[in-house]
Amino acid sequence: NAGVTQTPKFRVLKTGQSMTLLCAQDMNHEYMYWYRQDPGMGLRLIHYSVGEGTTAKGEVPDGYNVSRLKKQNFLLGLESAAPSQTSVYFCASSYMKIWDLASSYNEQFFGPGTRLTVL
Amino acid sequence: GQQLNQSPQSMFIQEGEDVSMNCTSSSIFNTWLWYKQDPGEGPVLLIALYKAGELTSNGRLTAQFGITRKDSFLNISASIPSDVGIYFCAGPTDSWGKLQFGAGTQVVVTP
Repeated sequence: NAGVTQTPKFRVLKTGQSMTLLCAQDMNHEYMYWYRQDPGMGLRLIHYSVGEGTTAKGEVPDGYNVSRLKKQNFLLGLESAAPSQTSVYFCASSYMKIWDLASSYNEQFFGPGTRLTVL
Repeated sequence: GQQLNQSPQSMFIQEGEDVSMNCTSSSIFNTWLWYKQDPGEGPVLLIALYKAGELTSNGRLTAQFGITRKDSFLNISASIPSDVGIYFCAGPTDSWGKLQFGAGTQVVVTP
């Protein structure tokens, strides 16, 4: 199993250009997440999906759109890239279960990341 | 929202030394997680803690869930070069498994 894969690994964009980052998982996970990582700020959630055809906003959704047309894929789009979107982007996935905050946690498995530079 | 304050920001240590880092929150967490990110890779879960006061080990790593449920600690004993990386604390914030991450502690191990 490949786990969680992300394409591309690196990309340089000019301000105003658009692009799509692809995340794919082969673990049959229901939940998928997109994070961005900036120096000194940890990982911040952009958007997430709890199942095929559903998406929801995270902590920093502005300037991004997502789609989950197939269970195994989660796409992150930048319609008009800005220098503030220069970052490393991580996708993650996890199983769905009836969540009990007091007893257990469904581990999120992360992809290797996409390093995006916007000039 | 909940804020996780992680310290120290970075540590430069010699091989063989022990490492300690901690994470504090302004509010209660019911689960504490510790992730490690190797250079150029995505984070990987090291330890999950579910009960206040719980002490859990994973090889040379030991983590504790603070009694107040607002803090957690991670210790690495007898550090080796492959311990280099960024260590993140995190906690679930809702029933959909969304995580709040600390800013990370960067560990550099010198021979």
